[in-house]
Amino acid sequence: GNSVTQMEGPVTLSEEAFLTINCTYTATGYPSLFWYVQYPGEGLQLLLKATKADDKGSNKGFEATYRKETTSFHLEKGSVQVSDSAVYFCALSRSGGSYIPTFGRGTSLIVHP
Amino acid sequence: DAGITQSPRYKITETGRQVTLMCHQTWSHSYMFWYRQDLGHGLRLIYYSAAADITDKGEVPDGYVVSRSKTENFPLTLESATRSQTSVYFCASSEPAGGHNEQFFGPGTRLTVL
Repeated sequence: GNSVTQMEGPVTLSEEAFLTINCTYTATGYPSLFWYVQYPGEGLQLLLKATKADDKGSNKGFEATYRKETTSFHLEKGSVQVSDSAVYFCALSRSGGSYIPTFGRGTSLIVHP
Repeated sequence: DAGITQSPRYKITETGRQVTLMCHQTWSHSYMFWYRQDLGHGLRLIYYSAAADITDKGEVPDGYVVSRSKTENFPLTLESATRSQTSVYFCASSEPAGGHNEQFFGPGTRLTVL
């Protein structure tokens, strides 16, 4: 079956540091890949997505590239801010067949001033 | 209001009582989902629905009941609440056009069972 593995947190960084949150997946076919962000006390919201191999999703300074050869979708940001403190979830969804997404367990990011 | 809403936002109940959590979406998305979020477990799917009158079990359905008589509403009922059902519950919707299936989440309901 499908699975998503992401690095355990919390990840603690100082403001303006470089961020990488690793995500790898297992899936049959050609899934779409997503990063969601959950700010404290809120629901998840889509941060970025990529629908095919080598696509790069980007939003709010965050980027992730769909790497089929390494089955990865690592999230990166060049300079984090305190306001980026949140929980980040990697997820996949297959095209066709089951539309039930598979989520990773989430990675908490804490950014200190 | 446009979007996806949940009510109540906070609920405290006692063991053995019946509780219903409401979810409403305004986009006419075909798919709707209920998740629970607990520390150490991430998001776990309770039930989902592919369309009105079509529902199916997720990963952790025991102790929960759902219905979907209208496309826009997807209530979740705890028939006899237990302390282990203390959690934050999220409703989500999606429209899998082209297989992309991004999900739109509600703000959550924090449920405490005493």
